[in-house]
Formats: sequence, C-alpha cells, structure tokens
Amino acid sequence: DGGITQSPKYLFRKEGQNVTLSCEQNLNHDAMYWYRQDPGQGLRLIYYSQIVNDFQKGDIAEGYSVSREKKESFPLTVTSAQKNPTAFYLCASSRQGDVYGYTFGSGTRLTVV
Amino acid sequence: RKEVEQDPGPFNVPEGATVAFNCTYSNSASQSFFWYRQDCRKEPKLLMSVYSSGNEDGRFTAQLNRASQYISLLIRDSKLSDSATYLCVVPKASGNTPLVFGKGTRLSVIA
Repeated sequence: DGGITQSPKYLFRKEGQNVTLSCEQNLNHDAMYWYRQDPGQGLRLIYYSQIVNDFQKGDIAEGYSVSREKKESFPLTVTSAQKNPTAFYLCASSRQGDVYGYTFGSGTRLTVV
Repeated sequence: RKEVEQDPGPFNVPEGATVAFNCTYSNSASQSFFWYRQDCRKEPKLLMSVYSSGNEDGRFTAQLNRASQYISLLIRDSKLSDSATYLCVVPKASGNTPLVFGKGTRLSVIA
C-alpha cells in the first residue's frame, strides 16, 4: 500500500543537539512539506519542496534545515538554533497543483529534555 | 483579513444533531478548498475537497461562497465518532503554492 512514513514516532533531544526527522513516501508525489503543530494551534509551514534538489522556506524556517536528494525522501533537521523545538512535526506529500490535498504521515513528537 | 480563520469552538452537540462550521479566507483567487479532520494527537486526514459551489458526501456537505469568501461544513445526524477537530484549508496564493491550515474547530458529540 502506498503511503507516507515518518520516523521516529517520539524523539527526545537534549539542549544544543541537532536531530533529524525522517519522512519517506512511496506515492510518487512530486511535492513534500514539513509542518509544525503546537498544542491548541494550527499547522505552520516550515519548508516545502516541489521538485527534487529544490526547496523553499515556509513561514517558520529559522532553526530548521532540509534536503531533497530523492523524490521519496524529505528529511528535516532541527538544529540547536531552534529555540523552542518541542512540538508535533508533520510531513505531507501531494501531487503538483492546488487541486490536490495533502497526504500526511503519522507525525513525530519531539521533546527537548 | 487573515489567510484563513475559523471559530475555534468547542461545539458540544447531542448525537443526531446537525452542526455547521464556517471558515473565512483572504485569497480571492483561491480555486480549491479542503476540510480535514484531526483526531487528538493524530495526523490530519482529508475529509472533503471543494472546487466549485459545494460538495456532498453522505452526512457531510461543504459549501463555498466565493463572493463572501467563506466555506462551510455541515454535518447531519452527528455520531459520537464525529468528535474531532475540523480544519479548514486553503491555498496560500494562486497557482502551485502550499496550503494554509486554519487552527481548527473542535466538535464534541455527546451521547
């Protein structure tokens, strides 16, 4: 079955550490996205990529980095520069064009300890 | 006007009730709209897409009013399993741009 897989489900980070969240899809979607959700808040766009080897900053890109070396994969690194990284991170993918909705992975819950 | 705005609720309704949520958006050029459902601590899942004046799927009806720039979601004969947060979603701008998610409207259906 096609889908989008995020790992790990839960992640604990010490202050000052960089961590990488994995996102893999086998839906043959061109576009991939990273969103962050804080408790009681909406989804905020971190980065997105519409084609391999290209990506754009979203609304809250500071303290994050991404790469898109393969169509199937769009990992997100949360760097030590991100001051408040504790959140629920959601990866999504879609076909090109605004008539298509997104398919989401099941998310990674990141906690700073 | 914000890119997308929803009444946060919560809406507490008895089983069998009809409930409606509204959502306003700012980008008048938007062509596609979506309603997502999000259960507690889970990922959002696509509930309905709205491309023209509206869409109906069983107990769920989505309507679009382009002149007033709002979208509504109507749920008839509410079930306990409908309890969730409903997210209104619109494109950030015209063309191939990311989607903007509303903060959601929380629905609790009570027995």
